[in-house]
Amino acid sequence: GAVVSQHPSRVICKSGTSVKIECRSLDFQATTMFWYRQFPKQSLMLMATSNEGSKATYEQGVEKDKFLINHASLTLSTLTVTSAHPEDSSFYICSARDIGQGNTEAFFGQGTRLTVV
Amino acid sequence: GENVEQHPSTLSVQEGDSAVIKCTYSDSASNYFPWYKQELGKRPQLIIDIRSNVGEKKDQRIAVTLNKTAKHFSLHITETQPEDSAVYFCAATDSWGKLQFGAGTQVVVTP
Repeated sequence: GAVVSQHPSRVICKSGTSVKIECRSLDFQATTMFWYRQFPKQSLMLMATSNEGSKATYEQGVEKDKFLINHASLTLSTLTVTSAHPEDSSFYICSARDIGQGNTEAFFGQGTRLTVV
Repeated sequence: GENVEQHPSTLSVQEGDSAVIKCTYSDSASNYFPWYKQELGKRPQLIIDIRSNVGEKKDQRIAVTLNKTAKHFSLHITETQPEDSAVYFCAATDSWGKLQFGAGTQVVVTP
């Protein structure tokens, strides 16, 4: 199957700093990528839809100024957690679909474990 | 938007028995229903999926059924093995490809 690479896999940052997470589709093009957040023992909650060349679409309750999304190319989307606080500590995971395959399997990145201290 | 409910939240089965997880969805426009297995700290892995034009799909010990009229779908695992122990998520997606996940089911298979 297609490969989605997410980096970094783990990051620890100080409260008040910003953290950037990258999501790359390695062998296919993705006009749309999705960002999820998963707290311990909970489900994956969709945060936003990242669209190549346009603004991201955020789910209700997700602060767009805090979670900056940039989708500069068909293979790269980035999520920047700005002014991070301990409550932002979570598992962040991206997914992408191969646009050439229609509405089919979504491929997930490895996830990023963010710890804000 | 889509709302996916999943039951049960935990499921303990004896090795060799069957496990069934049920999900319901709210958006009649949803047309793709994948099931994922997630091990602790790792990404979700697709184990089986079904489209809205199909009522049942099977892959070895795993099967999924879909009832579009009732808007529910189920995962069936037969002859369970200890390595089947994990968290399982159902999901539904609309034509835009947005996946909404159920709350998850912790499956424990005891030898």
